[in-house]
Amino acid sequence: AQTVTQSQPEMSVQEAETVTLSCTYDTSENNYYLFWYKQPPSRQMILVIRQEAYKQQNATENRFSVNFQKAAKSFSLKISDSQLGDTAMYFCAFMNPSGAGSYQLTFGKGTKLSVIP
Amino acid sequence: EAGVTQSPTHLIKTRGQQATLRCSPISGHTSVYWYQQALGLGLQFLLWYDEGEERNRGNFPPRFSGRQFPNYSSELNVNALELEDSALYLCASSPMAGGNTEAFFGQGTRLTVV
Repeated sequence: AQTVTQSQPEMSVQEAETVTLSCTYDTSENNYYLFWYKQPPSRQMILVIRQEAYKQQNATENRFSVNFQKAAKSFSLKISDSQLGDTAMYFCAFMNPSGAGSYQLTFGKGTKLSVIP
Repeated sequence: EAGVTQSPTHLIKTRGQQATLRCSPISGHTSVYWYQQALGLGLQFLLWYDEGEERNRGNFPPRFSGRQFPNYSSELNVNALELEDSALYLCASSPMAGGNTEAFFGQGTRLTVV
């Protein structure tokens, strides 16, 4: 079974600064997908960024980028130019598109990020 | 375009009762997923429905069940409620099962068991 670990329960960052959230995972699969989701106080989970394991290039979406280290099974999220609206819980998630658990997301326990004005 | 909608927003039940939670996926989406977000436990996968069939279920007892209707909406039923079932229940939908398709989440149903 896959596991996802987020070792930072809470983090804070000054507005306009950069912050990195850590995520490690454990799997024996070679083909999989990794995600970062954001959950603001409104409770709705929003996809921030997605990485396909077979792609070596790190995914980037505007101010959000990842550092994907497949051999180390590490998938960190970097938020640049932090904004007050980035305050939320951030969840790292794993999906294996084959096998018994196909297409379900396995989530880490989350990192609560607070952006300080 | 309407997003994933869940009802009710909040639900309070007493121990031993049954709860029914509902989810309407985005139009055109055939896959529906249910997750439980309990305090301190993160999100746990509950059930996956696609084209009206249950495709997979997580490590939950049989009193957690559900179904998907012909219009792809879905129901989650929790029988014989226990205090530990208190959680936020999130529904997600995707156009089809696949890692390259984004799962869109609803805002959840907060179930409180007293």
